[in-house]
Amino acid sequence: DTGVSQDPRHKITKRGQNVTFRCDPISEHNRLYWYRQTLGQGPEFLTYFQNEAQLEKSRLLSDRFSAERPKGSFSTLEIQRTEQGDSAMYLCASSLQRRIFQNTEAFFGQGTRLTVV
Amino acid sequence: SQQGEEDPQALSIQEGENATMNCSYKTSINNLQWYRQNSGRGLVHLILIRSNEREKHSGRLRVTLDTSKKSSSLLITASRAADTASYFCATVPFKRGANNLFFGTGTRLTVIP
Repeated sequence: DTGVSQDPRHKITKRGQNVTFRCDPISEHNRLYWYRQTLGQGPEFLTYFQNEAQLEKSRLLSDRFSAERPKGSFSTLEIQRTEQGDSAMYLCASSLQRRIFQNTEAFFGQGTRLTVV
Repeated sequence: SQQGEEDPQALSIQEGENATMNCSYKTSINNLQWYRQNSGRGLVHLILIRSNEREKHSGRLRVTLDTSKKSSSLLITASRAADTASYFCATVPFKRGANNLFFGTGTRLTVIP
């Protein structure tokens, strides 16, 4: 257990429905990341937060994807109007970065596996 | 698109043998990290090597970095069945404030007891 928790662990939804995933990072970590991983591939970066500010969102896969971290603690990732191609593992990670160019490791949660039927 | 590419894609060895995985990347980096993932689980950080380092050790792990060739290798010595997992290299681009990890495609390691 890395200390990063994600909920739910599994989600099955019908095409066209909206889904929301939650990530609780390690409490003192100021950075939070979302990744998507499809079978046999490495994690694909989606977006990240520095405290409550979303600093990079250009890699979100489409405007159906959005993420929030309202109080700089937990984060949610929402996918609207789900499509079968959205089926994947969604991973959250957190890290503590105090200085620019500081080298830090990321701690990953167990992921939420989404299946769109 | 992903930053790195691992080689080989799959590796099968006998317990006790050494396993070597290679990673190539495309752009200048701040650091390079190796992660391990058991099937269907999250990723676990193994080792971080900074761009000004050439070699690093941690237990049975040895990582090398050649920034001129934009490549890294992970060596696992005296492998165990419990080392069976996917291994990913991830790079942090050399960009002010960035600490985003960009992952390669991974090497699937199978250690046969």
